[in-house]
Amino acid sequence: AQKVTQAQTEISVVEKEDVTLDCVYETRDTTYYLFWYKQPPSGELVFLIRRNSFDEQNEISGRYSWNFQKSTSSFNFTITASQVVDSAVYFCALRPGNQGGKLIFGQGTELSVKP
Amino acid sequence: NAGVTQTPKFRVLKTGQSMTLLCAQDMNHEYMYWYRQDPGMGLRLIHYSVGEGTTAKGEVPDGYNVSRLKKQNFLLGLESAAPSQTSVYFCASRQTGTTNYGYTFGSGTRLTVV
Repeated sequence: AQKVTQAQTEISVVEKEDVTLDCVYETRDTTYYLFWYKQPPSGELVFLIRRNSFDEQNEISGRYSWNFQKSTSSFNFTITASQVVDSAVYFCALRPGNQGGKLIFGQGTELSVKP
Repeated sequence: NAGVTQTPKFRVLKTGQSMTLLCAQDMNHEYMYWYRQDPGMGLRLIHYSVGEGTTAKGEVPDGYNVSRLKKQNFLLGLESAAPSQTSVYFCASRQTGTTNYGYTFGSGTRLTVV
């Protein structure tokens, strides 16, 4: 079965705190891709990152960082020094290999950053 | 601007009415997808297409039909709308190839069935 689980439904932090959003996935494919999307209150989906299953190198982009660990099937997302503009729903998604490119989304984590 | 355009952006239907949602992309993408987003459930795949003239079922296809007569358009139809189909619908497209795995999403259609 292919599945993505974001166990944290809602997270609330105060500005400047660090916050980690968890993502656990299930797949039997050896080739797959993992994504994070941001959905601000305006509703559009904003692409944040893509990782393929052969690249476990962690990535940092400004205040954002991602920790991909195949051993635990996790692809966690950390925001350092959070800001009010980070308030949004964040989705983790899995694209299994050779299945028409369809994305399997987690349930989403709603992050609220308070001033 | 290149991208994915969804029409309409908002719609209210009465139970039993029919309607078609249009997704148009001008990037010559092969793959197109229809998702629905419901609170606490993320986005779920309804139907998808891997090329002109092809369609396939996703995770939640019941109550919906699709057509891809032209490469640039992917239509989602509701033959007899039900309140359970109240949702936000997103269309996405993607190009094939080994170097581009990015998806382009439309801005969504908010559908309410009363």
